Amino acid sequence: EVQLVESGGALVHPGGSLRLSCAASGFAVRTNRMGWVRQAPGKGLHWVSIIYSGGSAYYGESMRGRFTVSRDDSKNTLHLQMESLRADDTAVYYCATVNDREGFFDHWGLGTLVTVSP
Amino acid sequence: SYVLTQPPSVSVAPGKTASSTCGGDNIGSKTVHWYQQKPGQAPVLVIYNDNVRPSGIPERFSGSNSGSTATLTINRVEAGDEADYYCQVWDSRSDLWVFGGGTKLTVL
Repeated sequence: EVQLVESGGALVHPGGSLRLSCAASGFAVRTNRMGWVRQAPGKGLHWVSIIYSGGSAYYGESMRGRFTVSRDDSKNTLHLQMESLRADDTAVYYCATVNDREGFFDHWGLGTLVTVSP
Repeated sequence: SYVLTQPPSVSVAPGKTASSTCGGDNIGSKTVHWYQQKPGQAPVLVIYNDNVRPSGIPERFSGSNSGSTATLTINRVEAGDEADYYCQVWDSRSDLWVFGGGTKLTVL
């Protein structure tokens, strides 16, 4: 059974950094396309980042240059390093598997809350 | 960038049919996916590739996509279908993933 468990969410000051993790089980992250999607309080879903099995990474416009997605294959874990955090980065961050051929998010974690506030 | 437009809300009586639309420029040429999100829960994929149901999703859920509009249809709506519904596409040429703003389905 595929399981994704996010961690690392916290309260952080504007300009600060944070690293989120997503521990996967039931499959190997290194052979799958993986992604992050966020949801600001009371708002809709917003794509954050995708990493391909080959290592190529892509980012949403407002995240480019500040966020970095990576994998630790030995721990079967996905990471999201977030820098220069702003108030509008406040959201629940979900980790998900991404279908290679059609680009849909088929398995989701429960999410981890990031709050950026003075 | 590509934009998907969904109505903020839709209301339907139990047992009736609910339709949620997703508009986009020539969206019929893209593949559309739909997610259901209940309060306090993670999204769940309910339709992929325009009209395919993942295992475990009731046959009451269906999808279509043509021209400038994709549609999620829920037949014989139940109280448990009350949720937010999001459409999503992948622009493979520019490696961008896009979500619609979501529609809140209220069961009267």
